[in-house]
Amino acid sequence: DGGITQSPKYLFRKEGQNVTLSCEQNLNHDAMYWYRQDPGQGLRLIYYSQIVNDFQKGDIAEGYSVSREKKESFPLTVTSAQKNPTAFYLCASSIVGKSADTQYFGPGTRLTVL
Amino acid sequence: AQSVTQLGSHVSVSEGALVLLRCNYSSSVPPYLFWYVQYPNQGLQLLLKYTSAATLVKGINGFEAEFKKSETSFHLTKPSAHMSDAAEYFCAVSDTFYNQGGKLIFGQGTELSVKP
Repeated sequence: DGGITQSPKYLFRKEGQNVTLSCEQNLNHDAMYWYRQDPGQGLRLIYYSQIVNDFQKGDIAEGYSVSREKKESFPLTVTSAQKNPTAFYLCASSIVGKSADTQYFGPGTRLTVL
Repeated sequence: AQSVTQLGSHVSVSEGALVLLRCNYSSSVPPYLFWYVQYPNQGLQLLLKYTSAATLVKGINGFEAEFKKSETSFHLTKPSAHMSDAAEYFCAVSDTFYNQGGKLIFGQGTELSVKP
């Protein structure tokens, strides 16, 4: 079955640590996205990538980093510079990253800072 | 700048009653509009999307939405609620002319409860 996988489902981090969230898709989509979800605030875009080896900052990129070395993979690193990282993180992909394209979402990773 | 406002963070209906979830958008160019549904601790699933082909859009699970330019609205409806419709619903907008990689702007979400 084609789809998007995210791992781990739950992640606990101590303050000061960097952690990396995995996102893999086998839909052959060119574009991939990372969103952060907080209660009552909807989803906010962290980073997006329309092609391998290229990515752009979204609305809340500070304290996060990404890479896009392979078409099917778009890992997100939450660095120690992110002041409030506890949230639900969602990865998505779309065919080519145009405005009318449907974005397909993974199941999410819930990150908790201890 | 584009924005989306969902009126009501929580809506409660009885099983079999009409579901109406409100979404208003702000956009300086013709928008593309989306409704997604999210069940607890899961990702988002597309219900339907408007891409200017028709103002009344039918989606999955019996949902539909009507694009009204004069009211800048894209409300989601379902004639008869089912217990399985209980979830959180998000409205989102993206621009048509300034392609920013398909960037979606989401509303705050509306949690739908269905009473037996």
